[in-house]
Amino acid sequence: TQLLEQSPQFLSIQEGENLTVYCNSSSVFSSLQWYRQEPGEGPVLLVTVVTGGEVKKLKRLTFQFGDARKDSSLHITAAQPGDTGLYLCAGSVIGSQGNLIFGKGTKLSVKP
Amino acid sequence: DVKVTQSSRYLVKRTGEKVFLECVQDMDHENMFWYRQDPGLGLRLIYFSYDVKMKEKGDIPEGYSVSREKKERFSLILESASTNQTSMYLCASSLTMNTEAFFGQGTRLTVV
Repeated sequence: TQLLEQSPQFLSIQEGENLTVYCNSSSVFSSLQWYRQEPGEGPVLLVTVVTGGEVKKLKRLTFQFGDARKDSSLHITAAQPGDTGLYLCAGSVIGSQGNLIFGKGTKLSVKP
Repeated sequence: DVKVTQSSRYLVKRTGEKVFLECVQDMDHENMFWYRQDPGLGLRLIYFSYDVKMKEKGDIPEGYSVSREKKERFSLILESASTNQTSMYLCASSLTMNTEAFFGQGTRLTVV
């Protein structure tokens, strides 16, 4: 059972378009992180969201944590080819002493 | 900035060889992790360590072992490499067990 479901699995768009990717769970998370992984590289942390309903912005990227802390979304405005990569969400289930749980990712391709 | 460095970007080994993957972090993190990443399967945890000389099995430890003799260094050992261990291997470290992970650049291992 995949605790963190990411959708869509693949996304191919043209430069300048907007997009939203999702990270969903039936579990409550104490925090959620988003990472971007470029081909052949390790994931790089983009943001951590902690509070239910929290919205964080990173230039053209907007991250939102659901009110119930079970889901998160990443919205990219006016996508650029440099946004191409695998977007991973990860989090720790509230009350758990366990490791981070990772989703399988959304593979984004932005064509010029 | 946290830096996690993996000793090799690319490795080609023969079936049956003993393989060592090295990882060093410079942020005095207690926790270190080894993952493998395969298309469609996402990140899977092999082993982790929460202190020097301490290790815990992750989700897929079979065929692997680890060593943590110093806080900054965490080694992954493939006792007898097999073709099904061809994969991207990622090392990570974190301050606590379920907070943000900082990844190395990855090692693409091919076993022939």
